[in-house]
Amino acid sequence: DAKTTQPTSMDCAEGRAANLPCNHSTISGNEYVYWYRQIHSQGPQYIIHGLKNNETNEMASLIITEDRKSSTLILPHATLRDTAVYYCIVSVATGQTGANNLFFGTGTRLTVIP
Amino acid sequence: DAGVIQSPRHEVTEMGQEVTLRCKPISGHDYLFWYRQTMMRGLELLIYFNNNVPIDDSGMPEDRFSAKMPNASFSTLKIQPSEPRDSAVYFCASSSLPNTEAFFGQGTRLTVV
Repeated sequence: DAKTTQPTSMDCAEGRAANLPCNHSTISGNEYVYWYRQIHSQGPQYIIHGLKNNETNEMASLIITEDRKSSTLILPHATLRDTAVYYCIVSVATGQTGANNLFFGTGTRLTVIP
Repeated sequence: DAGVIQSPRHEVTEMGQEVTLRCKPISGHDYLFWYRQTMMRGLELLIYFNNNVPIDDSGMPEDRFSAKMPNASFSTLKIQPSEPRDSAVYFCASSSLPNTEAFFGQGTRLTVV
């Protein structure tokens, strides 16, 4: 039930910006775009999320196109510790309380190269 | 806060045995999620709770799986009887509100032999 499409893998030179694309052409108006990453053998880690506007925090920036059909996660200065699988997720409100059901696809394996 | 705490970190058990995985969510978080991760199927949501009440258990694979949340600070995922195909990493996560970040524990790696 994949609602997002991401490249399987990407490489990025250390110190350069890593730009990870995600397509979500069937996104609904009330659905958010979330990004998580999973470093080997660890639990997923939240990075950032947004609805319509671009967002920035201490970890990354999220650029969402005006039609909301795609987005890009930007790690401004990639380090070796950023090597991980990055998941782009479109939230699906489920149940009576509307809590998130985070559907993790296969993600993008980002390798930061020294 | 120490984050979401799961125990044990690793569990090896024989087929047919009962297995209990434990989770302590972040204090104040009203939502608790159990996920399972395998190479074949990736990360799958098994069940989630809101204010200790199970809301959606449609991801629980079989009746052999059960989850409880007796209070706001503790949840268990039980498999009885366990089978080799249950081998996976099981993650617990918690969040404070809908549409906010979920915090994941370090996971329990379960091996059923």
